[in-house]
Amino acid sequence: QVQLVESGGGVVQTGISLRLSCAASGFTFSNYGMHWVRQAPGKGLEWVADIGYDGSNKFYGDSVRGRFTISRDNSKNTLYLQMNSLRAEDTAVFYCARSRYSYGSEGSLDYWGQGTLVTVSS
Amino acid sequence: QSALTQPPSASGSPGQSVIISCTGTSSDVGGYNYVSWYQQHPDKAPKLMIYEVSKRPSGVPDRFSGSKSGNTASLTVSGLQAEDEADYYCSSYAGSNNLVFGGGTKLTVL
Repeated sequence: QVQLVESGGGVVQTGISLRLSCAASGFTFSNYGMHWVRQAPGKGLEWVADIGYDGSNKFYGDSVRGRFTISRDNSKNTLYLQMNSLRAEDTAVFYCARSRYSYGSEGSLDYWGQGTLVTVSS
Repeated sequence: QSALTQPPSASGSPGQSVIISCTGTSSDVGGYNYVSWYQQHPDKAPKLMIYEVSKRPSGVPDRFSGSKSGNTASLTVSGLQAEDEADYYCSSYAGSNNLVFGGGTKLTVL
């Protein structure tokens, strides 16, 4: 069965960097686009970034562009999110999710991880 | 990337039908057939309920259906059941490799 397991969250101070990981299993990881979506406490979902099946296409939401970098290692079946210059407003549960499509920008996120909480404090 | 507009809340009695709307623009909902709906129970990950406006993933009950007219997409939940009580989010491809979500609707089963 498809499984996505995020890790790497925690409590960090503003300005610090953090890298999230998402370990995928139960499907051919290298065939699918992948996304990061976040949810601030008590708030709605916000798209963060997505990456195509082969890592050649990467796209970002306005609020993280220039600070966050999405990447993947298909040999390790793992998705990453490098987060730099963290701000208090980045505090959220970060979910990785699989797109139904190879490039993935269209969305249709059919499997989600359980999420990892990132808390940025000053 | 402006968020899509959803009503904050919706409700219905068991067995009834409820419709949740999701309003965007011609640059997102109205421009592409890539509208999805997600169900999220408290402290759980979202679950895909509808994709490409009206398609249901395997395992999603046919009580859930989706449609679109112009810049507004809709999720209809028929034959409401207690376990349908959850938050529902729409999303749409918004062009230029952007994805946008709605603000969410809390569905209460009375």
